[in-house]
Amino acid sequence: DQQVKQNSPSLSVQEGRISILNCDYTNSMFDYFLWYKKYPAEGPTFLISISSIKDKNEDGRFTVFLNKSAKHLSLHIVPSQPGDSAVYFCAASDNAGNMLTFGGGTRLMVKP
Amino acid sequence: DTGVSQDPRHKITKRGQNVTFRCDPISEHNRLYWYRQTLGQGPEFLTYFQNEAQLEKSRLLSDRFSAERPKGSFSTLEIQRTEQGDSAMYLCASSLTPRELSYEQYFGPGTRLTVT
Repeated sequence: DQQVKQNSPSLSVQEGRISILNCDYTNSMFDYFLWYKKYPAEGPTFLISISSIKDKNEDGRFTVFLNKSAKHLSLHIVPSQPGDSAVYFCAASDNAGNMLTFGGGTRLMVKP
Repeated sequence: DTGVSQDPRHKITKRGQNVTFRCDPISEHNRLYWYRQTLGQGPEFLTYFQNEAQLEKSRLLSDRFSAERPKGSFSTLEIQRTEQGDSAMYLCASSLTPRELSYEQYFGPGTRLTVT
């Protein structure tokens, strides 16, 4: 069973517009969430995270929103740039922090 | 840049052969993790070490897989009698001991294994 799901395998956005990537989870024990970005032939790169005690975390162009009651989080990128084109993974951890559970990824394409 | 490094980056082997991968974590990190990623999927946890102790193993880690971190620094992942289903990207990550509100793991570039 998939505990972390990213239901959109791909997303195409125009440069300068907002990109919204979504993630749903089922395990109530998850209390820390992360977004990773992955370019081809590279490992995932940590982007931004959020703890369950918050509902929003912002870092420059990237903002993550968490809705605990809906078990849903989203990553907003604004404005989107062509260099943001990559696969984005949502990941979750319980409070032990011993492993990350990843979603299947969303491929973002930002068109110039 | 002293990020996580992995060697080799690519490995092609014939079914039934043994392969070994190496991971060098970020130097001050005491935790080291192995994940496997297949095409179109997210990384899946295999195992992790706290210093030299292997503390958790996924059920994905069959008896043919063994991981070591002998001196609490680099780690090796060995697959014996490889099968075509072992073809995947093997990712290594490292971190400090997780503390409240900080569970980030930092990944290496991965080793892509192809079993023919």
